[in-house]
Amino acid sequence: GENVEQHPSTLSVQEGDSAVIKCTYSDSASNYFPWYKQELGKRPQLIIDIRSNVGEKKDQRIAVTLNKTAKHFSLHITETQPEDSAVYFCAAFMDSSYKLIFGSGTRLLVRP
Amino acid sequence: IAGITQAPTSQILAAGRRMTLRCTQDMRHNAMYWYRQDLGLGLRLIHYSNTAGTTGKGEVPDGYSVSRANTDDFPLTLASAVPSQTSVYFCASSRDVGQPQHFGDGTRLSIL
Repeated sequence: GENVEQHPSTLSVQEGDSAVIKCTYSDSASNYFPWYKQELGKRPQLIIDIRSNVGEKKDQRIAVTLNKTAKHFSLHITETQPEDSAVYFCAAFMDSSYKLIFGSGTRLLVRP
Repeated sequence: IAGITQAPTSQILAAGRRMTLRCTQDMRHNAMYWYRQDLGLGLRLIHYSNTAGTTGKGEVPDGYSVSRANTDDFPLTLASAVPSQTSVYFCASSRDVGQPQHFGDGTRLSIL
């Protein structure tokens, strides 16, 4: 069935270090992969997305990589800051059903 | 300011009661979605609408119904609320299917 697995569920890093969150998806026809950041009590906010015609996309300290062959994609945050602390969700758009399926989230804590 | 408006922001409801959560967007987006968010389970799609006049079932549609009479509004109805429907409900919209989704602020619903 349609599934997106996200790891790790929690991640604690020292300020200034890098953080990496990984996701795998089931539908080989998926072609759109967004990442959302959700602060406590707030709405999920889109931070970066990638389509299957590229392997990597960067936006300042945030980058996403995609390996279509292995059906996994990753979020990379460099030079982490305390304000990066939040829950991050990956998602994959399933071409088989035209639905966006979310991972279960990663709680990132950046220690000052 | 353009965006998505959800109402109410929170509600406590007795089991068995009927409840409609409202969602309105002013971005003229074709597609709209309802998700529920439970601790540790991420965002799960309840129902969606790819365009005005059409709706479809998501991952967890049982106990919920939606309508899409026009482009702007996408109400979610719980016909007879049960405690397992206690959750935070997010409405989202996108220009079209497979495009970035933007979320409202959510409705925190408690069923007693």
